[in-house]
Amino acid sequence: GDSVTQMEGPVTLSEEAFLTINCTYTATGYPSLFWYVQYPGEGLQLLLKATKADDKGSNKGFEATYRKETTSFHLEKGSVQVSDSAVYFCALSGDTNAGKSTFGDGTTLTVKP
Amino acid sequence: DVKVTQSSRYLVKRTGEKVFLECVQDMDHENMFWYRQDPGLGLRLIYFSYDVKMKEKGDIPEGYSVSREKKERFSLILESASTNQTSMYLCASHTQGNNSPLHFGNGTRLTVT
Repeated sequence: GDSVTQMEGPVTLSEEAFLTINCTYTATGYPSLFWYVQYPGEGLQLLLKATKADDKGSNKGFEATYRKETTSFHLEKGSVQVSDSAVYFCALSGDTNAGKSTFGDGTTLTVKP
Repeated sequence: DVKVTQSSRYLVKRTGEKVFLECVQDMDHENMFWYRQDPGLGLRLIYFSYDVKMKEKGDIPEGYSVSREKKERFSLILESASTNQTSMYLCASHTQGNNSPLHFGNGTRLTVT
């Protein structure tokens, strides 16, 4: 079945550092890929998405590119802020699993001033 | 903006009680989901529904049931609560199609004593 593997955390960075959170996936067909963010005390919210190979999703300075050849969707940000501290989830929604999403385990990011 | 509302943020129940968790979405979404989130285990799908009166088991349905009598409302039922059901419960919805992102409520933190 479908699966998502993302970089284990926690990750601790200083403000303005470069961020990469790795995500790889296994799926049949042509899934859509997502990054969700969960701030303390809240539910998950969509950060960005990409629906086909070589698409780049971007939002709030975060970017991720759908790489079919390496089955990856790594999240990057050039300069993190304290307000980016949150849990980040990589997810896919396959075209063969009827709308269900598969999530990675989540990566906790802490940004220190 | 899509809003997914969960009726309670915090709930404390006793072992053996019947517990209802309610979720309402306001964007006419066909698909609705219940997840539980536990440290180290990520998000696990309990049940989902594609339409009124339809339900499908997710990965961990044991000990739970659901009800979807109206399109906008999806209820999770713990028939006889147990301490191992202490968790954060997240409701989500999306429209049909695998490139449609999930919209989450803020979660209900249930403690069973």
